Amino acid sequence: QVQLVQSGAEVKKPGASVKVSCKASGYTFTRSYLHWVRQAPGQGPEWMGMVDPTSGNINYAQKLRGRVTMTRDTSTSTVYMELSSLRSEDTAVYYCAREPHPGAVRFDYWGQGTLVTVSS
Amino acid sequence: EIVLTQSPGTLSLSPGERATLSCRASQSVSSSSLAWYQQRPGQAPRLLIYGASARATGIPDRFSGSGSGTDFTLTISRLEPEDFAVYFCQQFSSSTYTFGQGTKLEIK
Repeated sequence: QVQLVQSGAEVKKPGASVKVSCKASGYTFTRSYLHWVRQAPGQGPEWMGMVDPTSGNINYAQKLRGRVTMTRDTSTSTVYMELSSLRSEDTAVYYCAREPHPGAVRFDYWGQGTLVTVSS
Repeated sequence: EIVLTQSPGTLSLSPGERATLSCRASQSVSSSSLAWYQQRPGQAPRLLIYGASARATGIPDRFSGSGSGTDFTLTISRLEPEDFAVYFCQQFSSSTYTFGQGTKLEIK
């Protein structure tokens, strides 16, 4: 069965960076895009960007360009999301989510979420 | 960027009743790019509907989606206790995904 397993919760100070991992299993890693979506407390989800595991091509949300970096490791079927220059507004649950095939434009499986808290 | 506005913010209904949730886009959205998700407390979103009207795998047929252009609707025909949750719509356009702010469906 498809699983996306994320790394654990993080507490960071303003100005620091955080790196969250998402390990995929149960399907062919290179056949689906993987996205990152975050959700601040009480808010709707916010799309952050996506990785094409085959080519390594990336598409970042305009708002986060310059602060976010997404990478993948095909040998371990893992994608990573690093967010720098953290501020309090970055406090959120961060999810990885699978787009089942290129062009599907929907997310059929989600990781369990990683809470990132930014606090001095 | 296309903004999705969901209404109502909160909907109070009883089990067995029909729920109608609205998602309005600031610009026309391709129907193939409109999806709906359910989110229970402490859980990740769950895909319900994609392509505006296609049910995702394992989703009961009491859930249905409709609409086109700027106005989309999620209907739950007869509410079950497990349906009380928050619902989000999502669209893709110009290489960007956006989500609505959500409708909370609560027990009356």
